[in-house]
Amino acid sequence: RKEVEQDPGPFNVPEGATVAFNCTYSNSASQSFFWYRQDCRKEPKLLMSVYSSGNEDGRFTAQLNRASQYISLLIRDSKLSDSATYLCVSGGGYNKLIFGAGTRLAVHP
Amino acid sequence: DTEVTQTPKHLVMGMTNKKSLKCEQHMGHRAMYWYKQKAKKPPELMFVYSYEKLSINESVPSRFSPECPNSSLLNLHLHALQPEDSALYLCASSPIRTSGTDTQYFGPGTRLTVL
Repeated sequence: RKEVEQDPGPFNVPEGATVAFNCTYSNSASQSFFWYRQDCRKEPKLLMSVYSSGNEDGRFTAQLNRASQYISLLIRDSKLSDSATYLCVSGGGYNKLIFGAGTRLAVHP
Repeated sequence: DTEVTQTPKHLVMGMTNKKSLKCEQHMGHRAMYWYKQKAKKPPELMFVYSYEKLSINESVPSRFSPECPNSSLLNLHLHALQPEDSALYLCASSPIRTSGTDTQYFGPGTRLTVL
Protein backbone atom coordinates (compact mmCIF):
# COMPACT_ATOMS: atom_id res chain seq x y z
CA ARG A 1 0.00 0.00 0.00
CA LYS A 2 1.35 3.45 -0.90
CA GLU A 3 1.93 5.84 2.01
CA VAL A 4 -0.17 8.57 0.39
CA GLU A 5 -2.89 7.60 -2.06
CA GLN A 6 -4.96 9.85 -4.27
CA ASP A 7 -7.14 9.42 -7.33
CA PRO A 8 -5.00 10.30 -10.39
CA GLY A 9 -8.00 11.65 -12.32
CA PRO A 10 -8.15 13.43 -14.66
CA PHE A 11 -11.02 15.48 -13.37
CA ASN A 12 -12.53 17.40 -16.28
CA VAL A 13 -14.83 20.17 -15.03
CA PRO A 14 -16.41 23.29 -16.53
CA GLU A 15 -15.50 26.76 -15.33
CA GLY A 16 -17.44 27.68 -12.21
CA ALA A 17 -17.76 24.10 -10.98
CA THR A 18 -16.90 22.91 -7.50
CA VAL A 19 -14.47 20.00 -7.40
CA ALA A 20 -13.19 17.94 -4.48
CA PHE A 21 -10.04 15.87 -4.23
CA ASN A 22 -9.47 13.23 -1.58
CA CYS A 23 -6.35 11.62 -0.28
CA THR A 24 -5.54 8.97 2.35
CA TYR A 25 -2.31 8.46 4.24
CA SER A 26 -1.06 5.35 6.02
CA ASN A 27 1.34 6.73 8.65
CA SER A 28 -0.76 7.62 11.67
CA ALA A 29 2.27 9.38 13.20
CA SER A 30 2.36 12.02 10.43
CA GLN A 31 1.94 15.50 11.87
CA SER A 32 2.18 17.77 8.82
CA PHE A 33 0.07 17.79 5.68
CA PHE A 34 0.10 19.93 2.58
CA TRP A 35 -1.44 20.39 -0.83
CA TYR A 36 1.00 21.40 -3.55
CA ARG A 37 0.06 22.44 -7.05
CA GLN A 38 2.24 21.58 -10.04
CA ASP A 39 1.78 23.01 -13.52
CA CYS A 40 3.06 21.10 -16.54
CA ARG A 41 6.87 21.17 -16.70
CA LYS A 42 7.10 23.44 -13.65
CA GLU A 43 8.07 22.93 -10.02
CA PRO A 44 5.58 22.05 -7.25
CA LYS A 45 4.32 25.10 -5.40
CA LEU A 46 2.69 25.12 -1.99
CA LEU A 47 -1.05 25.66 -2.29
CA MET A 48 -1.85 25.34 1.39
CA SER A 49 -0.95 23.56 4.59
CA VAL A 50 -3.70 21.41 6.09
CA TYR A 51 -4.72 21.72 9.73
CA SER A 52 -6.99 19.58 11.90
CA SER A 53 -9.37 22.50 12.30
CA GLY A 54 -9.64 22.87 8.53
CA ASN A 55 -8.49 25.94 6.69
CA GLU A 56 -9.69 28.11 3.88
CA ASP A 57 -7.87 30.37 1.46
CA GLY A 58 -10.22 32.13 -0.93
CA ARG A 59 -11.82 29.49 -3.15
CA PHE A 60 -9.78 26.67 -1.62
CA THR A 61 -10.68 24.71 1.51
CA ALA A 62 -8.58 21.93 3.00
CA GLN A 63 -9.72 19.46 5.65
CA LEU A 64 -7.89 16.84 7.69
CA ASN A 65 -9.58 13.89 9.39
CA ARG A 66 -6.99 12.21 11.61
CA ALA A 67 -9.32 9.42 12.73
CA SER A 68 -9.86 8.30 9.12
CA GLN A 69 -6.38 9.39 7.95
CA TYR A 70 -8.01 11.36 5.20
CA ILE A 71 -7.25 14.76 3.65
CA SER A 72 -9.42 16.71 1.24
CA LEU A 73 -9.18 19.78 -0.98
CA LEU A 74 -12.26 21.62 -2.21
CA ILE A 75 -12.02 24.12 -5.05
CA ARG A 76 -15.05 26.36 -5.56
CA ASP A 77 -15.85 28.38 -8.67
CA SER A 78 -13.14 26.69 -10.75
CA LYS A 79 -11.10 28.89 -13.09
CA LEU A 80 -9.25 27.88 -16.25
CA SER A 81 -6.04 28.77 -14.39
CA ASP A 82 -6.77 26.07 -11.79
CA SER A 83 -5.87 23.41 -14.36
CA ALA A 84 -2.85 21.63 -12.89
CA THR A 85 -1.81 18.54 -10.96
CA TYR A 86 -2.59 18.66 -7.24
CA LEU A 87 -0.19 16.77 -5.00
CA CYS A 88 -1.30 15.54 -1.59
CA VAL A 89 1.69 15.47 0.76
CA SER A 90 2.30 14.23 4.28
CA GLY A 91 5.28 14.94 6.47
CA GLY A 92 7.29 11.76 6.90
CA GLY A 93 9.46 12.95 9.78
CA TYR A 94 13.21 13.73 9.49
CA ASN A 95 12.23 16.61 7.20
CA LYS A 96 10.92 14.19 4.58
CA LEU A 97 7.82 14.81 2.50
CA ILE A 98 5.80 11.87 1.23
CA PHE A 99 4.05 12.72 -2.05
CA GLY A 100 0.92 11.19 -3.46
CA ALA A 101 0.92 10.45 -7.17
CA GLY A 102 -1.06 13.63 -7.89
CA THR A 103 -4.56 14.34 -9.19
CA ARG A 104 -4.88 16.03 -12.56
CA LEU A 105 -7.50 18.74 -12.95
CA ALA A 106 -8.57 20.16 -16.31
CA VAL A 107 -11.00 23.09 -16.22
CA HIS A 108 -12.65 23.82 -19.57
CA PRO A 109 -14.66 26.82 -20.80
CA ASP B 1 11.75 36.19 -0.55
CA THR B 2 10.69 32.56 -0.97
CA GLU B 3 12.89 31.89 -3.97
CA VAL B 4 15.09 28.93 -4.68
CA THR B 5 17.18 29.29 -7.83
CA GLN B 6 18.67 26.51 -9.93
CA THR B 7 21.14 26.48 -12.79
CA PRO B 8 21.22 25.46 -15.54
CA LYS B 9 17.56 25.32 -16.63
CA HIS B 10 18.35 22.69 -19.24
CA LEU B 11 21.28 20.33 -19.60
CA VAL B 12 22.12 17.79 -22.27
CA MET B 13 25.04 15.51 -21.55
CA GLY B 14 26.65 12.37 -22.88
CA MET B 15 27.14 9.27 -20.75
CA THR B 16 30.87 10.00 -20.34
CA ASN B 17 30.48 13.65 -19.35
CA LYS B 18 30.85 15.20 -15.90
CA LYS B 19 28.51 18.06 -15.06
CA SER B 20 27.12 19.80 -11.99
CA LEU B 21 23.72 21.16 -11.05
CA LYS B 22 23.59 24.16 -8.75
CA CYS B 23 20.98 25.38 -6.27
CA GLU B 24 20.87 28.50 -4.11
CA GLN B 25 18.51 29.89 -1.47
CA HIS B 26 18.70 32.96 0.74
CA MET B 27 15.80 32.26 3.08
CA GLY B 28 18.04 31.12 5.92
CA HIS B 29 16.75 27.55 5.60
CA ARG B 30 19.03 24.92 7.12
CA ALA B 31 17.60 21.93 5.24
CA MET B 32 18.13 21.44 1.51
CA TYR B 33 16.99 18.64 -0.75
CA TRP B 34 17.49 17.07 -4.15
CA TYR B 35 14.57 15.38 -5.89
CA LYS B 36 14.25 13.59 -9.20
CA GLN B 37 10.98 13.76 -11.11
CA LYS B 38 9.99 11.72 -14.16
CA ALA B 39 7.06 12.68 -16.37
CA LYS B 40 3.63 12.13 -14.80
CA LYS B 41 5.19 10.96 -11.52
CA PRO B 42 5.59 12.77 -8.19
CA PRO B 43 9.00 14.04 -7.05
CA GLU B 44 11.23 11.30 -5.68
CA LEU B 45 13.58 12.25 -2.84
CA MET B 46 17.29 11.68 -3.47
CA PHE B 47 19.23 13.50 -0.73
CA VAL B 48 18.62 15.65 2.34
CA TYR B 49 21.16 18.01 3.90
CA SER B 50 20.55 19.29 7.42
CA TYR B 51 22.88 21.97 8.77
CA GLU B 52 25.15 21.38 5.78
CA LYS B 53 25.56 17.68 6.59
CA LEU B 54 24.14 14.83 4.54
CA SER B 55 21.36 13.35 6.64
CA ILE B 56 19.47 11.20 4.13
CA ASN B 57 20.64 9.35 1.01
CA GLU B 58 17.75 7.41 -0.48
CA SER B 59 20.02 4.69 -1.90
CA VAL B 60 20.98 6.87 -4.84
CA PRO B 61 23.62 5.45 -7.24
CA SER B 62 27.11 6.84 -6.74
CA ARG B 63 27.09 8.47 -10.17
CA PHE B 64 25.13 11.21 -8.36
CA SER B 65 27.27 13.02 -5.80
CA PRO B 66 25.78 15.82 -3.67
CA GLU B 67 27.72 18.61 -2.04
CA CYS B 68 26.69 21.40 0.32
CA PRO B 69 29.48 24.03 0.37
CA ASN B 70 27.57 26.35 2.74
CA SER B 71 24.11 26.93 4.14
CA SER B 72 22.90 28.68 0.96
CA LEU B 73 24.31 26.42 -1.73
CA LEU B 74 23.69 22.87 -2.83
CA ASN B 75 25.33 21.11 -5.75
CA LEU B 76 24.70 17.80 -7.47
CA HIS B 77 27.68 16.39 -9.35
CA LEU B 78 26.88 14.05 -12.21
CA HIS B 79 29.22 11.51 -13.76
CA ALA B 80 28.73 8.54 -16.09
CA LEU B 81 24.96 8.92 -16.15
CA GLN B 82 22.61 6.61 -18.02
CA PRO B 83 19.80 7.62 -20.41
CA GLU B 84 17.26 6.54 -17.78
CA ASP B 85 18.62 9.31 -15.53
CA SER B 86 16.99 11.85 -17.84
CA ALA B 87 14.46 13.72 -15.68
CA LEU B 88 13.64 17.01 -14.00
CA TYR B 89 15.95 17.55 -11.02
CA LEU B 90 14.41 19.70 -8.34
CA CYS B 91 16.12 21.41 -5.44
CA ALA B 92 14.13 22.44 -2.38
CA SER B 93 14.79 24.07 0.97
CA SER B 94 12.96 24.34 4.27
CA PRO B 95 13.38 25.38 7.87
CA ILE B 96 14.19 22.55 10.26
CA ARG B 97 11.55 21.67 12.84
CA THR B 98 12.12 19.71 16.01
CA SER B 99 8.85 17.89 15.38
CA GLY B 100 6.76 17.50 12.27
CA THR B 101 7.90 18.55 8.83
CA ASP B 102 7.94 22.12 7.54
CA THR B 103 6.95 23.43 4.12
CA GLN B 104 9.51 22.87 1.41
CA TYR B 105 10.08 25.50 -1.27
CA PHE B 106 11.11 24.21 -4.66
CA GLY B 107 13.35 25.69 -7.30
CA PRO B 108 12.29 25.66 -10.98
CA GLY B 109 14.38 22.57 -11.67
CA THR B 110 16.99 21.50 -14.18
CA ARG B 111 15.68 19.44 -17.08
CA LEU B 112 18.39 16.89 -17.77
CA THR B 113 18.71 14.81 -20.91
CA VAL B 114 21.35 12.07 -21.04
CA LEU B 115 22.24 10.88 -24.54
